[in-house]
Amino acid sequence: QVQLKETGPGLVQPTQTLSITCTVSGFSLTSYYMQWVRQTPGKGLEWMGFIRSGGSTEYNSEFKSRLSISRDTSKNQVFLKMNSLKTEDTGVYYCAREMGPHYFDYWGQGVMVTVSS
Amino acid sequence: DIVLTQSPALAVSLGQRATISCKTNQNVDYYGNSYMHWYQQKPGQQPKLLIYLASNLASGIPARFSGRGSGTDFTLTIDPVEADDTATYYCQQSRNLYTFGAGTKLELK
Repeated sequence: QVQLKETGPGLVQPTQTLSITCTVSGFSLTSYYMQWVRQTPGKGLEWMGFIRSGGSTEYNSEFKSRLSISRDTSKNQVFLKMNSLKTEDTGVYYCAREMGPHYFDYWGQGVMVTVSS
Repeated sequence: DIVLTQSPALAVSLGQRATISCKTNQNVDYYGNSYMHWYQQKPGQQPKLLIYLASNLASGIPARFSGRGSGTDFTLTIDPVEADDTATYYCQQSRNLYTFGAGTKLELK
């Protein structure tokens, strides 16, 4: 069955870089867009960006300058990297599979990230 | 950006109908489809897809849930409401990239 699971550091210091891995099973990354969504106390659910089935990416302009999404199809993994973290980036980060057209049919359990010194 | 507006909370009695609204500041219709979707989120859990393209029930979702609307006005209806339905409900548009509403918390009277 379809499964997604995020793994990440939990605690990150301000100005540092956040790295989260989403490991998927039950489907191929070359057949679906993969999304990243975060949920913060300040802004609620916020779309961050996606990687297409073909490997190209698109980002929310709010994060464009500091966000990078990539993947390793051989390992069934999608990666999120975001630099210059601020305390406002504290929240839960989710990966989700996009089902055409444009809705998210499966979500990971999320990983809580706290930005604090 | 397309902004989605939801009421913060709604209280209904068990067995009654709950109607949750979502209004957008731009039309989210395109070539016959309304790019509006609904999710349920319970505390400590990830969002769960309920309705896609305004009115289509997602797999495994009970028929008590339904969605309707077009253009800029959409509703999610739960009828009848059960105790397990207490959660926060989010609308999401995908007409122009993706944005979510702030959520409506459904509580029981």
